[in-house]
Amino acid sequence: DAKTTQPPSMDCAEGRAANLPCNHSTISGNEYVYWYRQIHSQGPQYIIHGLKNNETNEMASLIITEDRKSSTLILPHATLRDTAVYYCIVQEGGTASKLTFGTGTRLQVTL
Amino acid sequence: GAVVSQHPSRVICKSGTSVKIECRSLDFQATTMFWYRQFPKQSLMLMATSNEGSKATYEQGVEKDKFLINHASLTLSTLTVTSAHPEDSSFYICSARDLQFTPEAFFGQGTRLTVV
Repeated sequence: DAKTTQPPSMDCAEGRAANLPCNHSTISGNEYVYWYRQIHSQGPQYIIHGLKNNETNEMASLIITEDRKSSTLILPHATLRDTAVYYCIVQEGGTASKLTFGTGTRLQVTL
Repeated sequence: GAVVSQHPSRVICKSGTSVKIECRSLDFQATTMFWYRQFPKQSLMLMATSNEGSKATYEQGVEKDKFLINHASLTLSTLTVTSAHPEDSSFYICSARDLQFTPEAFFGQGTRLTVV
């Protein structure tokens, strides 16, 4: 069963912020929120992860609600190269933990 | 960042033959690697968890005798598709994590298998 719910697709104009939502209402206390993206015909790429605090790195920001039931991935200045399928995944910590992919959000960045 | 390399990137084989796909962690050791399959316009589906020095753990519905996994060293796992059929045509992807536990998983570039 999917642990996350994401909209199937979104559009964003180049240069604008892309805000990708994710619902994970059944997340447990020891599960992290991970975001990956997959550009067409490539392996997925890690973007960012968090437990309960908001996180930012060179690629994106992750905003997690206080109840941890949802989160938003923010690409502050989307470019055409950000066109991809974005996956939100909840997972326990630990090296043996497997990633279960849902259907993701297909983000199309346009001129 | 850490790199996971898959080989070959694409392969075409005849129905009934076997194909081996290699997954290597280039600059870190991985006791656990994961194999996924992805059909067109679908998400990644986990096939199996590959454990160094022991048997792989297969997901429900994945035939272990058809998809042979060997993880003989801390940097190499192989997936062999035996007696391939056209319905096995897919995009196969491996992933691994660093033993030192960087939290993210690293993925190979994928292997496009076409069975004719």
